[in-house]
Amino acid sequence: KAGVTQTPRYLIKTRGQQVTLSCSPISGHRSVSWYQQTPGQGLQFLFEYFSETQRNKGNFPGRFSGRQFSNSRSEMNVSTLELGDSALYLCASSLGGVAGANVLTFGAGSRLTVL
Amino acid sequence: GEDVEQSLFLSVREGDSSVINCTYTDSSSTYLYWYKQEPGAGLQLLTYIFSNMDMKQDQRLTVLLNKKDKHLSLRIADTQTGDSAIYFCAETSGSARQLTFGSGTQLTVLP
Repeated sequence: KAGVTQTPRYLIKTRGQQVTLSCSPISGHRSVSWYQQTPGQGLQFLFEYFSETQRNKGNFPGRFSGRQFSNSRSEMNVSTLELGDSALYLCASSLGGVAGANVLTFGAGSRLTVL
Repeated sequence: GEDVEQSLFLSVREGDSSVINCTYTDSSSTYLYWYKQEPGAGLQLLTYIFSNMDMKQDQRLTVLLNKKDKHLSLRIADTQTGDSAIYFCAETSGSARQLTFGSGTQLTVLP
């Protein structure tokens, strides 16, 4: 079956602009999580969506937002981009159950460069 | 916040065993995970272990968990050049579903 698909794979923006990243989860997966990966901070949790509702949120400023659609596809948006937002943004999907291990399947990521 | 620590680099010879170590601070960790990341790719789940288990084996992979010392290790038997990658340990605790990741260990397999 198809894996987690993220678009675009690469993008370059300038400071002050905004960006929208898209994630299509594995068919049947209802939970989508977003992580930011940078050399300095490593992998950090942004937020998780389940059934179109934000279920969990990491410690990021309000410039970072997301949403999930009825088909479980998710988007994340970063407004007023800063140089420090340059990162690999990883989306992961799972069945979304609250018991047991949280088995995430990751996409290949969207690499954002802010100039 | 809770911490997960790993050494940054490990080099081994092809055919040898690799052991990647991880320590964590959260005493309420419920599941611990090992992920692999190859260049230009996302993370691939290798295995996970429930916190009340001591060991889990899956083909060439053996996970050991010492809950008392909050120490997790991943042993890769007969390491191959294709195993060269960054390995991340991660944990979830309590009812929280987000993963807390370590900084990753870059494994280099020398021919």
